[in-house]
Amino acid sequence: EVQLVESGGGLVKPGGSLRLSCAASGFTVTNAWMSWIRQAPGKGLEWVGRIKSRGDDGTTEYAAAVKGRFTISRDDTKNTLFLQMNSLETEDTAVYYCTTVGNPAYFHLWGRGTLVTVSS
Amino acid sequence: QTVVTQEPSFSVSPGGTVTLTCGLNSGSVSTTYYPNWYQQTPGQAPRTLIYNTNTRSSGVPDRFSGSILGNKAALTITGAQADDESDYYCALYLHSGIWVFGGGTKLTVL
Repeated sequence: EVQLVESGGGLVKPGGSLRLSCAASGFTVTNAWMSWIRQAPGKGLEWVGRIKSRGDDGTTEYAAAVKGRFTISRDDTKNTLFLQMNSLETEDTAVYYCTTVGNPAYFHLWGRGTLVTVSS
Repeated sequence: QTVVTQEPSFSVSPGGTVTLTCGLNSGSVSTTYYPNWYQQTPGQAPRTLIYNTNTRSSGVPDRFSGSILGNKAALTITGAQADDESDYYCALYLHSGIWVFGGGTKLTVL
């Protein structure tokens, strides 16, 4: 079955760090464009960033709100995508979804999300 | 700053037709932004409805259709059903290689 399962969410203090994981099954993350999208409580969807497939140079791109603080990476041996979040702010509180990026330029497969709460 | 605009809320009668729109504060939406649409019910992950302006995702009923209407992308629901009551989000892929979501439209079917 093709699916994405996020984990790693939780409560963290402002200024802290957290790493989210997204375990993929049924396909290889190496060969996929992947993205992270978040949703603050009661708010709309917000694109966070994406990583290209290794064959398409594997580069990353980020939304202005997280650039310089968040980093997307993957572990091919574990078939897992990561989101490293540093210098967290209360405004980063959200459910974080992992998605595949379909061709052209849309969010195809979604995980169920993991909740990150930034609070003192 | 690029802002994608959607109607905050809309209402449709069961069996009726409704068109939700997705605009840009900086100009017109065209197919080059690859407009896509997502449906979300409370507590659930979004579901992909439409991509590349007008292509339905697998399993999406044909009462959902996408288009460009004037200077906006549009999602039309024909023959609305009670379980279409959801939040609907559009997303545009900007030429800078990033995506921006609209604020979402809360659709009520009554």
